[in-house]
Amino acid sequence: EPEVTQTPSHQVTQMGQEVILRCVPISNHLYFYWYRQILGQKVEFLVSFYNNEISEKSEIFDDQFSVERPDGSNFTLKIRSTKLEDSAMYFCASSEQGIPHSPLHFGNGTRLTVT
Amino acid sequence: EDKVVQSPLSLVVHEGDTVTLNCSYEVTNFRSLLWYKQEKKAPTFLFMLTSSGIEKKSGRLSSILDKKELFSILNITATQTGDSAIYLCAVQGGSEKLVFGKGMKLTVNP
Repeated sequence: EPEVTQTPSHQVTQMGQEVILRCVPISNHLYFYWYRQILGQKVEFLVSFYNNEISEKSEIFDDQFSVERPDGSNFTLKIRSTKLEDSAMYFCASSEQGIPHSPLHFGNGTRLTVT
Repeated sequence: EDKVVQSPLSLVVHEGDTVTLNCSYEVTNFRSLLWYKQEKKAPTFLFMLTSSGIEKKSGRLSSILDKKELFSILNITATQTGDSAIYLCAVQGGSEKLVFGKGMKLTVNP
């Protein structure tokens, strides 16, 4: 069964450094998302992306965050200057037609640790 | 603010038991409710519900939505140790995002 692939599985970085989290969505999917889950807390929406532009973003997704689909297969999340509170599991998700028409399928996540 | 409340937050049962997981919500312009199973990492999709009263079924799992009373239930019959996981309920309002509940930790003992 096709799946969403995320790399790396774990990234450790120092405060203030830039990180790029990478995702390969399911190939025929058109809608892409980033969510995060701080340890012990709920899964939270960050951003949705469709037709090469951001369609919605949350308050968490401030100027330090950006997303890009640099080619036909990858979808990246960049954090420009990481803070301690950015430590979380970051999940990429994709959907064939977007909710409510088709569900989101999540990747295994990247655990980001900011020291 | 959109809200999703799951109950109970944790449950321990024996293999073979039947469990019912509850999810209630308050959301503006409801569009869909989704159930996910989270074992180690990725939430794995189980069901998406958009209409009241129509049961969705997959093997021993089933789910139904009540849009009047604003809740959904997820039933698991004849539980197995492999059902041990966190079960997440998420709701879509009038936008692209899913709002998740805290999750319900199910432990199935042999």
